[in-house]
Amino acid sequence: ETGVTQSPTHLIKTRGQQVTLRCSSQSGHNTVSWYQQALGQGPQFIFQYYREEENGRGNFPPRFSGLQFPNYSSELNVNALELDDSALYLCASSLQGSSYGYTFGSGTRLTVV
Amino acid sequence: DQQVKQNSPSLSVQEGRISILNCDYTNSMFDYFLWYKKYPAEGPTFLISISSIKDKNEDGRFTVFLNKSAKHLSLHIVPSQPGDSAVYFCAASDRGGTSYGKLTFGQGTILTVHP
Repeated sequence: ETGVTQSPTHLIKTRGQQVTLRCSSQSGHNTVSWYQQALGQGPQFIFQYYREEENGRGNFPPRFSGLQFPNYSSELNVNALELDDSALYLCASSLQGSSYGYTFGSGTRLTVV
Repeated sequence: DQQVKQNSPSLSVQEGRISILNCDYTNSMFDYFLWYKKYPAEGPTFLISISSIKDKNEDGRFTVFLNKSAKHLSLHIVPSQPGDSAVYFCAASDRGGTSYGKLTFGQGTILTVHP
């Protein structure tokens, strides 16, 4: 049984650029959630995807968008990067409708300069 | 609006002693609570959870207590081991809400267990 894998592990981007982060969900899981963890803070919910559709969204602007593919993998896209977007981005997979049984990936560390 | 708060940024405990990590919440709609542990360069890993219909859940060395009237929960680790040193996050969910799968996290508490 494979866990959640995220790529890349580290990324440096310039303010104003766009970035795409990728996540492969754990085998058997059909739901993917994305979280942003700023330094010294807890993870904050960005959005969740189920059956290739957004299924709940946190307090993040529209320049944060996502996709889920038929194999349940997912992408997080951030446009017009700002310095405050620098954070650890965590992907978590689960079975639909379940807030327990989350399996987190190790995250992508994004630095915006 | 911080709906889940962990007011102690850090906790230092001697090996073999009890570690008590605390968490407070403000949203009365939360009905499921979880604790996650996070090591550096790894994602959070699920530790233990509790439903709002219970006031205690135990799993080996880990026990979570829930006081709904005080909107407070705590994680007890007995006995503490050096390998328990990590960041501990409290999280809450409103399973009846529109964002069923959304977890709201606290800021985390860094636990250090000294040999």
